Amino acid sequence: DAGVTQSPTHLIKTRGQQVTLRCSPKSGHDTVSWYQQALGQGPQFIFQYYEEEERQRGNFPDRFSGHQFPNYSSELNVNALLLGDSALYLCASSLGSYSGNTIYFGEGSWLTVV
Amino acid sequence: AQKVTQAQTEISVVEKEDVTLDCVYETRDTTYYLFWYKQPPSGELVFLIRRNSFDEQNEISGRYSWNFQKSTSSFNFTITASQVVDSAVYFCALSEAGSGGSNYKLTFGKGTLLTVNP
Repeated sequence: DAGVTQSPTHLIKTRGQQVTLRCSPKSGHDTVSWYQQALGQGPQFIFQYYEEEERQRGNFPDRFSGHQFPNYSSELNVNALLLGDSALYLCASSLGSYSGNTIYFGEGSWLTVV
Repeated sequence: AQKVTQAQTEISVVEKEDVTLDCVYETRDTTYYLFWYKQPPSGELVFLIRRNSFDEQNEISGRYSWNFQKSTSSFNFTITASQVVDSAVYFCALSEAGSGGSNYKLTFGKGTLLTVNP
């Protein structure tokens, strides 16, 4: 049973560039959320996708956008990268958007902006 | 607004010692869910437990146990007879049920770095 998979694992981008991160949810899951984890901090919620729509959004600027595909996989796009966007980006999946469901995380994508 | 506080930034113990990680939460909802996750250096958040606000029974799973007390808004995690492999960052998280149970967002504490020395 495949868990949550993310790609790429590590990447380095230059300030001002754009980046796309990808996520495949755990088998059978249809809901995907994205979190940003800065060094030494807890993960911060970016947004959630369910039925190919953004259902909830955290306190992140419009430079952060996403998409969910019919196969439930998802992408996170960040435009006009800033140094402060350097972080671990975690994808999480669950079955349905019900808040009590167990949420599983991937290993994350380490983004460094230079 | 929901908030999770993990006051212990770092804890260091010697193998076989018992250790308790503290978690205090704030929420206005009567229905909410509490989680603990383990994060090894690889970065993946490993799910440990989920507890809903209506179930105050303590839970034990092997060397792990959890103490949920609504009266003090705490959800503490104890590792008995710690092992080197327990070394990781541990996060406590809260999810409010919201309207129709659709509030999915997890709010995390800042985490506690546990180091178990041989």
